[in-house]
Amino acid sequence: QVQLQESGPGLVKPSETLSLTCSVSGGSIRSSNYYWGWIRQPPGKGLEWIGNVYFGGNTYYEPSLKSRVTIQVDASKNQFSLKLTSVTATDTAVYYCARRSRGSSRYRPWGQGILVTVSS
Amino acid sequence: SYVLTQPPSVSVAPGQTAAITCGGNNIGGKDVHWYQQKPGQAPVLVVHDDNDRPSGIPERFSGSNSGDTATLTITRVEAGDEADYYCQVWDSHREIFGGGTKLTVL
Repeated sequence: QVQLQESGPGLVKPSETLSLTCSVSGGSIRSSNYYWGWIRQPPGKGLEWIGNVYFGGNTYYEPSLKSRVTIQVDASKNQFSLKLTSVTATDTAVYYCARRSRGSSRYRPWGQGILVTVSS
Repeated sequence: SYVLTQPPSVSVAPGQTAAITCGGNNIGGKDVHWYQQKPGQAPVLVVHDDNDRPSGIPERFSGSNSGDTATLTITRVEAGDEADYYCQVWDSHREIFGGGTKLTVL
């Protein structure tokens, strides 16, 4: 079965770029049936969608984050990545990667999540 | 922009039925998905496309969706069902999550 695992720095300084990678195992990121997404959750708060990428190159981003977000696929490594520029303390959150069905907008499975703290 | 409204909390006694609502303008015209999140864990899909269950999810979990309200129903509630529950839809090229409902099993 497909499993996802987030990796990257747990601490980022204000104004710098947050970079995370999601490694996919047990399935191919090239599948035409799925998108790959990032969702975050600030401490003690609800879920916030960041964006999705399709292997073919299509991307969708949360409008409020669009100017700062890039999500890309690296098919050679069966991974996809998130870059969020000019971070502030409000970007502190647990970041999840997840697989999204192409025909339905459901997310399953999810990675375990990684806490990223923005602080000097 | 589209907004999904959930009650912050719902309480239910063990063995009873819990109903968690998700309100949105004409949400009945959209596909609604529900996630369960226990403390310190990633969300888990429990109902998708209004009323379908992924493999491994007990039949006690079901959903409905009509008009301006979608509902997640959990029958014969167990202590292990205590968690936060989120609804989610796709609207205008973006994912929308509800604010979440904390289910407390008394």
